[in-house]
Amino acid sequence: DGGITQSPKYLFRKEGQNVTLSCEQNLNHDAMYWYRQDPGQGLRLIYYSQIVNDFQKGDIAEGYSVSREKKESFPLTVTSAQKNPTAFYLCASSWDRGDTEAFFGQGTRLTVV
Amino acid sequence: GQQVMQIPQYQHVQEGEDFTTYCNSSTTLSNIQWYKQRPGGHPVFLIQLVKSGEVKKQKRLTFQFGEAKKNSSLHITATQTTDVGTYFCAENSGGSNYKLTFGKGTLLTVNP
Repeated sequence: DGGITQSPKYLFRKEGQNVTLSCEQNLNHDAMYWYRQDPGQGLRLIYYSQIVNDFQKGDIAEGYSVSREKKESFPLTVTSAQKNPTAFYLCASSWDRGDTEAFFGQGTRLTVV
Repeated sequence: GQQVMQIPQYQHVQEGEDFTTYCNSSTTLSNIQWYKQRPGGHPVFLIQLVKSGEVKKQKRLTFQFGEAKKNSSLHITATQTTDVGTYFCAENSGGSNYKLTFGKGTLLTVNP
């Protein structure tokens, strides 16, 4: 089945630790995105990538890092520099055109204690 | 920051009542997309509007794009409990710097 997969669904980490969220897609999409969702805040863009080995900061990139070594993979690392990391993280992908829909993964709920 | 403002933030209706959410921008939009996120789920694409004044319908849902391409609306006729969820509008910059930016969404709850 084609789709976009995020793992794990739930993740717990201690404060001060870096954590990497996985996002894999087999839709052959060029563009991939990471969003953070908090109650009442909608979806805020963290990073996006249009092509392998290239990515751009979104609106809230501080405290996060990404890589795009393969077309199908776009992992997100939440670093210890992120002040409020507890949130629901959504990965998405689309064709690299300005007029196509985005497909979302199921999301990862990260809790930092 | 976000380029699209969405109102209202919350809307509670009785089943059978109509519902409308609005998306506004200070700049001209190349296109507008609408997504629905069920409670506990992930956003799912509903539709895209591209042309000035465009109107599209999906059963009880009507989507409009303003003449100036600065606003859009989603109207649901005779809501049902299955309509519960958060409705987002999204704008992408297109061109060579593709970036998909979402509004804050409108949470719709329906009382049966």
